[in-house]
Amino acid sequence: DGGITQSPKYLFRKEGQNVTLSCEQNLNHDAMYWYRQDPGQGLRLIYYSQIVNDFQKGDIAEGYSVSREKKESFPLTVTSAQKNPTAFYLCASSISAGGSPLHFGNGTRLTVT
Amino acid sequence: KQEVTQIPAALSVPEGENLVLNCSFTDSAIYNLQWFRQDPGKGLTSLLLIQSSQREQTSGRLNASLDKSSGRSTLYIAASQPGDSATYLCAVDTGTASKLTFGTGTRLQVTL
Repeated sequence: DGGITQSPKYLFRKEGQNVTLSCEQNLNHDAMYWYRQDPGQGLRLIYYSQIVNDFQKGDIAEGYSVSREKKESFPLTVTSAQKNPTAFYLCASSISAGGSPLHFGNGTRLTVT
Repeated sequence: KQEVTQIPAALSVPEGENLVLNCSFTDSAIYNLQWFRQDPGKGLTSLLLIQSSQREQTSGRLNASLDKSSGRSTLYIAASQPGDSATYLCAVDTGTASKLTFGTGTRLQVTL
């Protein structure tokens, strides 16, 4: 079955450490996205990529980095510069950027202490 | 800047009741509006997508309407079931690389 796989489901890190969240899709979608979800807030866009080897900052990119070396993969690194990294991170993809339905993974819950 | 509001934040109804969830947005220049469902600790599942030129979309017991000029959308759920219990989110797409702006959701509980 086609879909988006995020791993791991839960991640625990000490403050000051960088951590990378995995997102893989086998839907042959061109566009991929990273969102952050915090209690009581709507999802906020961190980074997005419309095609391989290209990505743009979203609304809250500070303290995060991404790469898009392969069409099916869009890993997100949460760096030590991110002031409040504890959150639920959601990866999504769409056939193309602009007007297509988004398909989401099941998320990674990151806890930094 | 686009802002999306969903009211109420939480709703509890008995099984079998028809219900309406509301979504409003501040900028009517949208490409489409999407409704999603989110179960606790899970990702989002797309329910309906309404293009800006459409007035409504239907899927099974779900019907979503869009009034772009007034900045409103409603999600109608007919004959609610306990399995409908989840958080429902709406999101508007301004057409720029599918950068969606999300509401904070309505948490629905359908009781037996």
